[in-house]
Amino acid sequence: EVQLVESGGGLVQPGRSLRLSCAASGFTFDDYAMHWVRQAPGKGLEWVSGISWNSGSIGYADSVKGRFTISRDNAKNSLYLQMNSLRAEDTALYYCAKGDTGFGVVSTIDYWGQGTLVTVSS
Amino acid sequence: EIVMTQSPATLSVSPGERATLSCRASQSVSSNLAWYQQKPGQAPRLLIYGASTRATGIPARFSGSGSGTEFTLTISSLQSEDFAVYYCQQYNNWLLFGQGTRLEIK
Repeated sequence: EVQLVESGGGLVQPGRSLRLSCAASGFTFDDYAMHWVRQAPGKGLEWVSGISWNSGSIGYADSVKGRFTISRDNAKNSLYLQMNSLRAEDTALYYCAKGDTGFGVVSTIDYWGQGTLVTVSS
Repeated sequence: EIVMTQSPATLSVSPGERATLSCRASQSVSSNLAWYQQKPGQAPRLLIYGASTRATGIPARFSGSGSGTEFTLTISSLQSEDFAVYYCQQYNNWLLFGQGTRLEIK
């Protein structure tokens, strides 16, 4: 059974940093692209970032480019999101998500975690 | 920059009836279009990929059609568990979701 478990969310002041982690199990982690998708309270889904199986291809939404960094550790079956210079508009539930492709980053998402809540407020 | 527009924002339909949801891309995404269902308090679930292929375990009452810029998700006979928010997502140029359609009980 595929499991994606996020951690690292919490309350943080504007301008500060936070690092999210995602522990993956139930599939061959280094065979697939991975993504972060967020959902602000009461709002829709927003793709944040994605990374290919070997970290060779990485993409970001314009709203986070230059502030967020995605990475993965295939030896630890883990995905990360380093979030710097956080803003109030980054407040959201952040989902770790598995891509359905082993080629590149662009794909559908076939499994989702339950999310970790990030609140940016003073 | 691609923009994904879903319509209507809210759709009210009676159980047993047919629901038709639309998604439009501002430029062609070929058939690189997926649909997701999200219920309150839950993560989204993949329904359709490649514009028309049902994901594993998705009932046959869900069907997708379209290519290029115009796409449709049809639910042929609504069950109580189908009332939820539905999102389209293009994966032709990175990933981008539509704003969602809320399907509610009439």
